[in-house]
Amino acid sequence: AQSVSQHNHHVILSEAASLELGCNYSYGGTVNLFWYVQYPGQHLQLLLKYFSGDPLVKGIKGFEAEFIKSKFSFNLRKPSVQWSDTAEYFCAVKISGTYKYIFGTGTRLKVLA
Amino acid sequence: GAGVSQSPSNKVTEKGKDVELRCDPISGHTALYWYRQSLGQGLEFLIYFQGNSAPDKSGLPSDRFSAERTGGSVSTLTIQRTQQEDSAVYLCASSTPGQGGNNEQFFGPGTRLTVL
Repeated sequence: AQSVSQHNHHVILSEAASLELGCNYSYGGTVNLFWYVQYPGQHLQLLLKYFSGDPLVKGIKGFEAEFIKSKFSFNLRKPSVQWSDTAEYFCAVKISGTYKYIFGTGTRLKVLA
Repeated sequence: GAGVSQSPSNKVTEKGKDVELRCDPISGHTALYWYRQSLGQGLEFLIYFQGNSAPDKSGLPSDRFSAERTGGSVSTLTIQRTQQEDSAVYLCASSTPGQGGNNEQFFGPGTRLTVL
């Protein structure tokens, strides 16, 4: 069965530190990839997505993610985090052409001011 | 415009009682998803509605769970004879299906269900 792994469950960083959150999936075919973010007390919202083309995608608030097909990975990065980035981050995979999303277990990021 | 809304925001119930959770999707969104988010877990797919097609119920964990979508809009998730393990946040999301379903899901705020 398809699955999504987020190996970092909790991450604590100081402001201005660089961030990389790992996401790996298990499926050999074509996929669509997403990162969602849930700020404290708010809804889940889309951070960025990859469907095709340039494997380096840029999202809101300075986030980016790189799709590496050979590694089945879609890691999320930000060069310099801010206190306001404190949130829970979810990676999700959708098999292209289908409607079912598979979510990872999430990574809780805390940024210290 | 209005986003996805869910009600109630919090529900505390006693074991064995039935509960109904409601989702109002964004107007015009024909695709609707229900997910369950338990502590320390990712989002667990429960059910998917698309227009007038038969729903995909493959994620419902037991026959105590059911869902319907009336008039292609509002959806209700019903849990009968609730158990403590049903305690979780139940999230609803809607989207336009797009080509191959490649469209963003918009999530509601969720209903936090606590079964005592």
